[in-house]
Amino acid sequence: GAGVSQSPRYKVAKRGQDVALRCDPISGHVSLFWYQQALGQGPEFLTYFQNEAQLDKSGLPSDRFFAERPEGSVSTLKIQRTQQEDSAVYLCASSLSGYHEQYFGPGTRLTVT
Amino acid sequence: EDKVVQSPLSLVVHEGDTVTLNCSYEVTNFRSLLWYKQEKKAPTFLFMLTSSGIEKKSGRLSSILDKKELFSILNITATQTGDSAVYLCAVETDNYGQNFVFGPGTRLSVLP
Repeated sequence: GAGVSQSPRYKVAKRGQDVALRCDPISGHVSLFWYQQALGQGPEFLTYFQNEAQLDKSGLPSDRFFAERPEGSVSTLKIQRTQQEDSAVYLCASSLSGYHEQYFGPGTRLTVT
Repeated sequence: EDKVVQSPLSLVVHEGDTVTLNCSYEVTNFRSLLWYKQEKKAPTFLFMLTSSGIEKKSGRLSSILDKKELFSILNITATQTGDSAVYLCAVETDNYGQNFVFGPGTRLSVLP
């Protein structure tokens, strides 16, 4: 069946550009998570949605990061004025509910030059 | 299609038992295999394996990769209730745009 999909899969941005990363969760999944994974490290939590409500955004590293899920399905993570330290893989995961049994997408690898 | 399979999907043991979790994969352009422990929010990174036959160890946890047979195992000795979690296996690939393929996870429950 269809899993979590993310697009683009690979993005190169010049420093200072804005980028938008998309996540299509599994249909019917209430919870959606965004993570940032730097090279050789584990994923770091960014933000969490339950339906369209953003319940936790404590992991967003700065006010340049913004996420939305306006209709409770597709989510977009936007990074404004990208910096080199934003280079990472951005993972999206969804779950039927709660924090457990998250299904991960393939990630978007962002490289800021 | 790239695929990661984990077994068992669910496991219940008692404290003090030793468990072995399995991960097998079929991917093109393998780069590394990673193990995570997932309790709440973000999974916790455990190991990254890139070379065959070299055991990585951290306390009671250890893991090894076999790139010929395309699998990895995660061992936990003398299990504790705090080991209860979902253990995720993921393979990182070098494919353009395909970064990680996650397995379904093994849910481990350690009873007192």
